[in-house]
Amino acid sequence: GQQLNQSPQSMFIQEGEDVSMNCTSSSIFNTWLWYKQDPGEGPVLLIALYKAGELTSNGRLTAQFGITRKDSFLNISASIPSDVGIYFCAARTITQGGSEKLVFGKGTKLTVNP
Amino acid sequence: DAGVIQSPRHEVTEMGQEVTLRCKPISGHDYLFWYRQTMMRGLELLIYFNNNVPIDDSGMPEDRFSAKMPNASFSTLKIQPSEPRDSAVYFCASSETRFGEQFFGPGTRLTVL
Repeated sequence: GQQLNQSPQSMFIQEGEDVSMNCTSSSIFNTWLWYKQDPGEGPVLLIALYKAGELTSNGRLTAQFGITRKDSFLNISASIPSDVGIYFCAARTITQGGSEKLVFGKGTKLTVNP
Repeated sequence: DAGVIQSPRHEVTEMGQEVTLRCKPISGHDYLFWYRQTMMRGLELLIYFNNNVPIDDSGMPEDRFSAKMPNASFSTLKIQPSEPRDSAVYFCASSETRFGEQFFGPGTRLTVL
């Protein structure tokens, strides 16, 4: 099946530091998404990428759709305590039955020390 | 809008019991998704509906799992009989269009003893 390899699994950083995480796959995708999940809540969409090479920002967050269409990264600049959570990459794929679905990475757990 | 509503938030049951999880999507959203989240496998799509019709159930693990959407504002995911390996957080999500943003509910944490 199509798997997304997300790294790192966890990060422990100091407030104010920049963060970088990425997702790679052996498969090609047409859409990459980045979500954040807070404890006890469902994932919330942060950034959506639809074109190879696309670089998109949302406040302190920046994400890029890799030129090979097999990877994506997410950067968070000047981290703050509320950035704590689990970040997931996701990509849209077509199933064997012809429908489309999202596949998710295993997540990067971010801890920010004040 | 209240967002996607799921109930119960927590469910503890014994092996062999029937479990029913409920979801109310955002009003006006035509697509409803059921996901399962575990440490080992992450987030996995189980089934999704379009206009109350199941479109893809290839992610449903086995016949013990079934999902229905009797109307546009309600869906259920049923596990009968439940097994300890079904323990996970189950999320419901909805979207306005096929490729639109999926809004997730808060999830139901299921523990099967």
